[in-house]
Amino acid sequence: KAGVTQTPRYLIKTRGQQVTLSCSPISGHRSVSWYQQTPGQGLQFLFEYFSETQRNKGNFPGRFSGRQFSNSRSEMNVSTLELGDSALYLCASSSRRVSTGELFFGEGSRLTVL
Amino acid sequence: QQPVQSPQAVILREGEDAVINCSSSKALYSVHWYRQKHGEAPVFLMILLKGGEQKGHEKISASFNEKKQQSSLYLTASQLSYSGTYFCGTEWGGSEKLVFGKGTKLTVNP
Repeated sequence: KAGVTQTPRYLIKTRGQQVTLSCSPISGHRSVSWYQQTPGQGLQFLFEYFSETQRNKGNFPGRFSGRQFSNSRSEMNVSTLELGDSALYLCASSSRRVSTGELFFGEGSRLTVL
Repeated sequence: QQPVQSPQAVILREGEDAVINCSSSKALYSVHWYRQKHGEAPVFLMILLKGGEQKGHEKISASFNEKKQQSSLYLTASQLSYSGTYFCGTEWGGSEKLVFGKGTKLTVNP
């Protein structure tokens, strides 16, 4: 079956702009979680959506937001971009809540903020 | 709170063994292990649940010491394909949130 698809794969923005990233989970998966990956910091949890509801949120400022649609596809938005937002953003889907199931990761969206 | 992984990096020759540790300051409900190869997405290895249940790949072994709030991943007779960065993710009781460590970079040389 098709894996987790993230778009766009690469993007370049300037400070102050906003960006929207998209994630299509594996068919049948209701949980989508988002992670920020930067060198030396590992995978930083952003938020998890399950059946269109945000179930959990990490320690990120309010500039980071997300949503999930009825077909389980998810988007995350970062407003007023800062240089420090440059990172690989990974989306993961699961048939169960994040903490109890195997996560299937997408290849990520690499964001560069200039 | 982010779990602490050790070592940060390890270099092996094919056939050698390695142990990667993951510790938390909070009481853990579960520990998850993932491996990420360079330029690729992280891939699931194993889940260890409080109470002893384990789910994962047959060739990977790990332990979960609930009292010490630690988990260890055992890589035996390493192969070149084991190279990558290993992440542990922990969930402390009731949080329903998976928090990953900073990773351990494993390099296996011929």
